[in-house]
Amino acid sequence: RKEVEQDPGPFNVPEGATVAFNCTYSNSASQSFFWYRQDCRKEPKLLMSVYSSGNEDGRFTAQLNRASQYISLLIRDSKLSDSATYLCVVGYGNKLVFGAGTILRVKS
Amino acid sequence: GAVVSQHPSWVICKSGTSVKIECRSLDFQATTMFWYRQFPKQSLMLMATSNEGSKATYEQGVEKDKFLINHASLTLSTLTVTSAHPEDSSFYICSASPGQGRSGYGYTFGSGTRLTVV
Repeated sequence: RKEVEQDPGPFNVPEGATVAFNCTYSNSASQSFFWYRQDCRKEPKLLMSVYSSGNEDGRFTAQLNRASQYISLLIRDSKLSDSATYLCVVGYGNKLVFGAGTILRVKS
Repeated sequence: GAVVSQHPSWVICKSGTSVKIECRSLDFQATTMFWYRQFPKQSLMLMATSNEGSKATYEQGVEKDKFLINHASLTLSTLTVTSAHPEDSSFYICSASPGQGRSGYGYTFGSGTRLTVV
């Protein structure tokens, strides 16, 4: 079983749609949680950290459920520029473990 | 803040030659840097943890004699792919954190190096 699992997609949605990504992790000792965005042939960029209390940044909302070892990302009012691969990332100690990513394609 | 510079962005080399990739933290000191490799349509896989002034820690299955890591200063780590072969062709990315290696601070990534071995 992979340490971090994501639905690879792709998710093809129209502009303005709301889309949700899910992620599960296997290491209960994980301490930190993130969503990164990776554009084609580019490096990953931090989108947001994820907290148990949930956090929101504009159109993006992230949630963590430690009991279920589950992380989610909700994107509202999708834009064409949101098209990318979204990486679920889990940290413990000084290491980050990456999910394989979920591809999002927003179309006009 | 928290900028990581990686060089070169891409390189093509002949089989059997060695390639050096540099990773620099531009506006912070990084006692710990990380080297990842990403094959097409796959996730980033941690290769090794680079520690300033000491030996790197390699992940299982990564040959330390093939992927030489040097972290001689608080702002520079280098990865040398020795005797490169076509199967080493990949996207190599480094990362560092102003949080001195504690994952809760998140990490900044270099722009990556696309290595093609012919």
